[in-house]
Amino acid sequence: DGGITQSPKYLFRKEGQNVTLSCEQNLNHDAMYWYRQDPGQGLRLIYYSQIVNDFQKGDIAEGYSVSREKKESFPLTVTSAQKNPTAFYLCASSMPPGQGTDTQYFGPGTRLTVL
Amino acid sequence: GQNIDQPTEMTATEGAIVQINCTYQTSGFNGLFWYQQHAGEAPTFLSYNVLDGLEEKGRFSSFLSRSKGYSYLLLKELQMKDSASYLCAALDSNYQLIWGAGTKLIIKP
Repeated sequence: DGGITQSPKYLFRKEGQNVTLSCEQNLNHDAMYWYRQDPGQGLRLIYYSQIVNDFQKGDIAEGYSVSREKKESFPLTVTSAQKNPTAFYLCASSMPPGQGTDTQYFGPGTRLTVL
Repeated sequence: GQNIDQPTEMTATEGAIVQINCTYQTSGFNGLFWYQQHAGEAPTFLSYNVLDGLEEKGRFSSFLSRSKGYSYLLLKELQMKDSASYLCAALDSNYQLIWGAGTKLIIKP
């Protein structure tokens, strides 16, 4: 079955620690995205990548980093520079923008809590 | 600036019909999406409109008016499992999704 997986589902971190969230897709999508969702707010874009070895900052990239070494994988690192990292993190993928269908499909999400 | 507005919360009765409205202001426009999100879960795709008019898909329909910057999601024959948040998102000229905060729909028996 094709889909997007994220791990872990729940993650706890101490202040000052970096943590990496995994996102893998087997939908053969070129574009991948990371969003952050806080209670009562819409999804906010952290980073996105339209092709391997290339990625762009979204609206709230400060304190985060990504890599895109493989088409299937787009890991997100939450660094100690992120001042308020407790949130629900969602990874999504889609065909490249403007190529007929721009529907983004989401993984199950990782809920990060900083202790 | 870019903005999506939708009601924060709505309540409806099982078996009834509910309409969730969304207005948008974006730099360019390449379509309007609706997603359903149950509590603690990821959003799932419901519909996509890029042309004016109504798109029907089973119990759910979505309408778009580009000239008015307006869309609605219509849910018929409401079931308890329809209790969820409904997210409206517009695709701007850079093909970036601009998201509303979501409408929490509460279904009462």
